[in-house]
Amino acid sequence: KAGVTQTPRYLIKTRGQQVTLSCSPISGHRSVSWYQQTPGQGLQFLFEYFSETQRNKGNFPGRFSGRQFSNSRSEMNVSTLELGDSALYLCASSYNSGSRADTQYFGPGTRLTVL
Amino acid sequence: DAKTTQPPSMDCAEGRAANLPCNHSTISGNEYVYWYRQIHSQGPQYIIHGLKNNETNEMASLIITEDRKSSTLILPHATLRDTAVYYCIVRVAGEYGNKLVFGAGTILRVKS
Repeated sequence: KAGVTQTPRYLIKTRGQQVTLSCSPISGHRSVSWYQQTPGQGLQFLFEYFSETQRNKGNFPGRFSGRQFSNSRSEMNVSTLELGDSALYLCASSYNSGSRADTQYFGPGTRLTVL
Repeated sequence: DAKTTQPPSMDCAEGRAANLPCNHSTISGNEYVYWYRQIHSQGPQYIIHGLKNNETNEMASLIITEDRKSSTLILPHATLRDTAVYYCIVRVAGEYGNKLVFGAGTILRVKS
C-alpha cells in the first residue's frame, strides 16, 4: 500500500506570496492532519480534517488554512508569506476508527523556503 | 505542551540494545503512549504504541511500567540507520480526533 504523498517536495517563495501544499493520504484513510516543523519551535500541530471538515485546529494565525476533498486528499494554504513560515510542512493520515489508538502515518514533507 | 519528558540525547554502540526512557507521570488511564522517530529532515516514522501492556513489533519493544508513569522503547540490535530523533508522545485525553503534541525528543546516536 502506498504511503502518504506530499507535493511539491521543495518550494521557494518570496515574502507576501501565497502557497498551496498538497497531501494524498494512505488509501482508505479518512483523516488528514498537518504539522509545521521549524528548528526553533519543533513539530507543531496546524489542523486536522475529516470528512471535508476541520475538526481540530492548532494555535496558528488565520493565514494558515486548509481543506479536504471528498477523496480525502487535502491541501493547505499559507497566504501573505513571512520569513518565519520557512519550515518543513508535514502531512499525516489515519484511518479514524474512533479509537484513541488511531495511528497517524506521516508523509515525507514539503520544505518551504521564504526569501 | 508535551506531556512527556525525555533525555535530550543518548549514545549506543552498534549491535547493542538501545533503551530510550520516557517519563509521562500525568498520563490518564485511557491515554496511549506512542513512539515515532525522525531521521534527518524526513517525516516522522511510526514505531509502536501501547496502553498498559508491553508491546513488541518488528521494529521495537515498548515496556510500560505498572503505574504507567514511564516507559522504555527498546531497539534490540541498534544499527547506524537507527540514528534519529525519537519522540515519545501521549495522546491527550479529551481531544476529539487526531492531534499529536511533540516534545523535543531524544537524539539517539548509534556509533560503530
